[in-house]
Amino acid sequence: ETGVTQTPRHLVMGMTNKKSLKCEQHLGHNAMYWYKQSAKKPLELMFVYSLEERVENNSVPSRFSPECPNSSHLFLHLHTLQPEDSALYLCASSDGLAGGATYEQYFGPGTRLTVT
Amino acid sequence: EDQVTQSPEALRLQEGESSSLNCSYTVSGLRGLFWYRQDPGKGPEFLFTLYSAGEEKEKERLKATLTKKESFLHITAPKPEDSATYLCAVQAGGSGSSNYKLTFGKGTLLTVNP
Repeated sequence: ETGVTQTPRHLVMGMTNKKSLKCEQHLGHNAMYWYKQSAKKPLELMFVYSLEERVENNSVPSRFSPECPNSSHLFLHLHTLQPEDSALYLCASSDGLAGGATYEQYFGPGTRLTVT
Repeated sequence: EDQVTQSPEALRLQEGESSSLNCSYTVSGLRGLFWYRQDPGKGPEFLFTLYSAGEEKEKERLKATLTKKESFLHITAPKPEDSATYLCAVQAGGSGSSNYKLTFGKGTLLTVNP
């Protein structure tokens, strides 16, 4: 595997279900991100982890719960979602977050989530 | 608040018809401006980073340029395989969340007809 991988690629879940999204990066990066992409809207940053420590929680509802067990893996645990949570969920990774530097973020293919 | 506006929202070209996409931005001290390409159902693919006004970068039929207020993505003699959504994002200077936060535009959907 190369780059950033995400599983599953598609997920349909009811509002009472619990599911998890998985992301794995093979780039040797130590920062990982979750984004939400909805139609006609810019990418929305949800969470950021640097060296497995959460550094950003962008006012995301508690029904989304991230987990970063190591610098290569990132999970997004989902429970009691709403239909408006249907979107493409993207994972990204980059080099570390030292001040003053610019780091390109590399994205996975995304998980298309539909909440029924 | 940082803002990124991309225009046009959609652009349809004939194969070989050159054109430009625009990304206008307001940011408190630009640290970097990024261009990505996104194909339907896929994640954004990194294309370029520009750091300062006057800088240009090229890749195949694409050339990105940067001024103090906007960036252009010039597409020369496009082919149907260049069809995609092109996203622009900026990273502000400073500390804290500026170390990782990108502000994205909504993108330009480019369609190149054969």
